[in-house]
This record gives sequence, structure tokens and C-alpha cells, in this order.
Amino acid sequence: EDQVTQSPEALRLQEGESSSLNCSYTVSGLRGLFWYRQDPGKGPEFLFTLYSAGEEKEKERLKATLTKKESFLHITAPKPEDSATYLCAVQLPGDGLTFGKGTHLIIQP
Amino acid sequence: DAGVIQSPRHEVTEMGQEVTLRCKPISGHNSLFWYRQTMMRGLELLIYFNNNVPIDDSGMPEDRFSAKMPNASFSTLKIQPSEPRDSAVYFCASSLFGQETQYFGPGTRLLVL
Repeated sequence: EDQVTQSPEALRLQEGESSSLNCSYTVSGLRGLFWYRQDPGKGPEFLFTLYSAGEEKEKERLKATLTKKESFLHITAPKPEDSATYLCAVQLPGDGLTFGKGTHLIIQP
Repeated sequence: DAGVIQSPRHEVTEMGQEVTLRCKPISGHNSLFWYRQTMMRGLELLIYFNNNVPIDDSGMPEDRFSAKMPNASFSTLKIQPSEPRDSAVYFCASSLFGQETQYFGPGTRLLVL
């Protein structure tokens, strides 16, 4: 069965303390790997799409990378406004997304 | 530019009642997705449509759930009869067919008592 596992489930960092979130997947025929950010009471907000191993994308303090079995979301010098739940999802042939359960990130000032 | 619109934002109902959730996708998008989010199971795909046609409903939990898309700008997800275990946040998302990025609405928080 296709699976997406995110770790850690929760992470608390001090402002400016860089770290990485992990998303490992066991799927066949990956079409794309997605990262979303979700704030409390809101819908997921699109961040990145990665398609092939070795690909990297950046946006402000976030950088996403992809290997054949996992993806990392690197957060450099985070600020309190980066606090959110970060969701990873994979897209298989077909159009729906299969999501991990997310990493709840808290950045303390 | 209006994003995905969902209504109602909150719904409280009693077990056995019919519940109808509504979604308006982003104008021009021709793929529409319904997801359900719970603490235990996370975000799960229920059903999706391409050009108003249901493509995959394998995620619909049981016959009490049904979804329709009568036109390109409107979809409904109906639960009849509702049960307490249906309590969750239901999200609608849309995309351009052939482009993978899905854009999510704000969700409907459903509580079945």
C-alpha cells in the first residue's frame, strides 16, 4: 500500500534555529511530491512541487529537496510566523493526492 | 482573484440528519477534489471530478456519502444519514486538469451530535 510518513510529528524551535522536516514515501509511479502549509482553521496552502530526484526549490526561508525515497523541507533561520503544520503529499498516476499526517512546527520568539 | 469557496464554514447537526456541503472551484479550473481531515487519519481524498465527471470515488467511506458536480462552478457533498463519526473538516480543492497543483478552500467544519 502506498504510504507517506512525516517526521517528526511535532517540532519546537527557537527563532533563528534552522532544522529540517522529513517526508518518506513508498509509492510506485510517483508523478509529483507536494509540500503544503496549513494554519489553524484554514485550508492547506501550496508551497512546492518536486518531480524528480535531485530537484530543489526555494521560497524565502524554505527549501525543499527530493530523493528517490524521501523529501526534506529545510527551514533556515525561522521566524515565529513560520509556525504552522507542514504537509507532504504524493501524486500517483491519476489526480488525487495522498497526504502524510504533517509536522506541527512551533517557532518560539 | 477569488479562491475556492466553501459553504457553510461550520455545521452542527444531529445524528440521522442530512448534511449538504457546497463548493465553488476557482474559475477556469476543471478538476475538483473533496477531502476529509481528522486528527486520527489526516487528510484523505474522498472523490474527484474532471470536467464535471466523477473519476474516482474509491475514497468515499460508504453509501451514505454522495457527491455531484452539476456544472463547472458548483459541487456538493451530501451525507445522509449523518453519524457522529462523520465529524471532521471537509475540504474542497480545484486544479487545472493536467496541472498538478491543487488549491484548497477554507473547509467546512462538521460536527454531528
